[in-house]
Amino acid sequence: DAGVIQSPRHEVTEMGQEVTLRCKPISGHDYLFWYRQTMMRGLELLIYFNNNVPIDDSGMPEDRFSAKMPNASFSTLKIQPSEPRDSAVYFCASSRLSQGGEQYFGPGTRLTVT
Amino acid sequence: QQQVKQSPQSLIVQKGGISIINCAYENTAFDYFPWYQQFPGKGPALLIAIRPDVSEKKEGRFTISFNKSAKQFSLHIMDSQPGDSATYFCAALANAGGTSYGKLTFGQGTILTVHP
Repeated sequence: DAGVIQSPRHEVTEMGQEVTLRCKPISGHDYLFWYRQTMMRGLELLIYFNNNVPIDDSGMPEDRFSAKMPNASFSTLKIQPSEPRDSAVYFCASSRLSQGGEQYFGPGTRLTVT
Repeated sequence: QQQVKQSPQSLIVQKGGISIINCAYENTAFDYFPWYQQFPGKGPALLIAIRPDVSEKKEGRFTISFNKSAKQFSLHIMDSQPGDSATYFCAALANAGGTSYGKLTFGQGTILTVHP
């Protein structure tokens, strides 16, 4: 299996621009998670989906952030408008209920907002 | 109550030494405790995990010790190697393996450096 795929790997954008991060989970996994990692706040869970349905978005920082999962093999995290404080590494992870808590992480997208 | 507290923040060990990282939790509903290893520029990867029905789990040089009454668990890396230099995260999950599914709550991370 190719693992969790994320794109782009790096994104540099100016404040106010819209940013879209993409994730392809491992085939057959029924949970998908979006995390944000910064030096100050560590690894934070933003939102997660089960069978394409958002279950908990309490970690989404504010209305500028939105996430969708239109099908089992694709999810997006969108920031509009972006701000410098959104600069971080964003990870997507997926798991399968039958495997308990093991989550497989993608390589991440490093976002820089200038 | 959802927090997992991890210590130390950073750790320097000589090659061949033992690395020990500790975590503590409050939520007694947690029933799955994984450790993740993250190398620079990579996503975290599952290293080893334990459930509260056992007090210890060993995989190669990596051992998790679990103390249910104290609500603490730790990672021991025996014979530490320079290749073990990475950031290590403990985590905890409630209702793992059940029909519902909780969040994976991560500790703050420990940067381990193993000197040759």
